[in-house]
Amino acid sequence: DQQVKQNSPSLSVQEGRISILNCDYTNSMFDYFLWYKKYPAEGPTFLISISSIKDKNEDGRFTVFLNKSAKHLSLHIVPSQPGDSAVYFCAASGNMLTFGGGTRLMVKP
Amino acid sequence: DTGVSQDPRHKITKRGQNVTFRCDPISEHNRLYWYRQTLGQGPEFLTYFQNEAQLEKSRLLSDRFSAERPKGSFSTLEIQRTEQGDSAMYLCASSLAWGPETQYFGPGTRLLVL
Repeated sequence: DQQVKQNSPSLSVQEGRISILNCDYTNSMFDYFLWYKKYPAEGPTFLISISSIKDKNEDGRFTVFLNKSAKHLSLHIVPSQPGDSAVYFCAASGNMLTFGGGTRLMVKP
Repeated sequence: DTGVSQDPRHKITKRGQNVTFRCDPISEHNRLYWYRQTLGQGPEFLTYFQNEAQLEKSRLLSDRFSAERPKGSFSTLEIQRTEQGDSAMYLCASSLAWGPETQYFGPGTRLLVL
């Protein structure tokens, strides 16, 4: 069973607009969530995280929102830039990370 | 360079051969993790160490796989009698041990079993 799901395999956004990537989880014991960005042939790069005691965390152009009652988190990127084009993974933390399947973001100039 | 490093970056082998990968974590990190990623999927947990102790293993880690971290620093992942289904990206990550710490990943080792 997939405990972390990213239901959109791809997303295309115009440069300068907002990108919203979504993630759902099923295990209410998860208490820390992370977003990673991955380019082909490279390891995932940490972007931003959020603890379950918060509902929002912001770092520059990146904001993560957590809705615990809905078991849903989202990553907002604004404004989107062509260099943001990559695969984005959400992950939930227990002793190890449980990853979603990823969303490929394409930012068009 | 203070990041996680992995060696080799690429490995092509024939079915039935043994392969070994190495991971060097960020120096002050005492937790080290191995993950496997196949095409179109997110990384899947294999095993992790706190210092030299292997604390958890996934059911994905068959008896052909063995991981070590003998001195609590670098780690090796060995796959014996490789199969075509072992073809994947093998990722190593490290973190500090206390609390919900962020894991930092290396560049990965891409394995192709022919």
